[in-house]
Amino acid sequence: DGGITQSPKYLFRKEGQNVTLSCEQNLNHDAMYWYRQDPGQGLRLIYYSQIVNDFQKGDIAEGYSVSREKKESFPLTVTSAQKNPTAFYLCASSITGQGNTEAFFGQGTRLTVV
Amino acid sequence: SQKIEQNSEALNIQEGKTATLTCNYTNYSPAYLQWYRQDPGRGPVFLLLIRENEKEKRKERLKVTFDTTLKQSLFHITASQPADSATYLCALDDNYGQNFVFGPGTRLSVLP
Repeated sequence: DGGITQSPKYLFRKEGQNVTLSCEQNLNHDAMYWYRQDPGQGLRLIYYSQIVNDFQKGDIAEGYSVSREKKESFPLTVTSAQKNPTAFYLCASSITGQGNTEAFFGQGTRLTVV
Repeated sequence: SQKIEQNSEALNIQEGKTATLTCNYTNYSPAYLQWYRQDPGRGPVFLLLIRENEKEKRKERLKVTFDTTLKQSLFHITASQPADSATYLCALDDNYGQNFVFGPGTRLSVLP
């Protein structure tokens, strides 16, 4: 079955540590995205990528980093520079990244700083 | 940048009634507008897409309208059911056509 997979589902991090969230898709989509969602709030864009080896900062990129070495994979690293990392992280993909194509979302990773 | 407002944080309606959710945007007019459903602890799921030159789009019990003059989209669920209870998000393409901008969502509760 085609889809987009995020792992792990739950992640705990100690303060000062970097952690990497995995996102893999087998939909052959060019565009991939990372969003952050805080309780009761909408989705805020962290990074997006339209093509392999290229990515752009979204609205809240500070304290995060990404890579896009393969079309299928778009991992997100939450660095120690991110002051308030506890949140629900969502990865998505779409065929072209343009608004006439729907976004497919993973099931999310809930990150908690302990 | 685009700012999106959705009518209320939460909406409670009685089963069988029509739920109407509102999405208002400022600044530029998008070429496309989408609606998603999100259940607690899960990723959003695409429901409908409407283009700027379309006034209305239907899918089963769902209907979306798009008024570029008012800068507003309305999302209707007719004959609502408790299973329709979820958060509904509207999304617009950004001004560069490179990503999606999401509204804050409206949490709909359909009461039996």
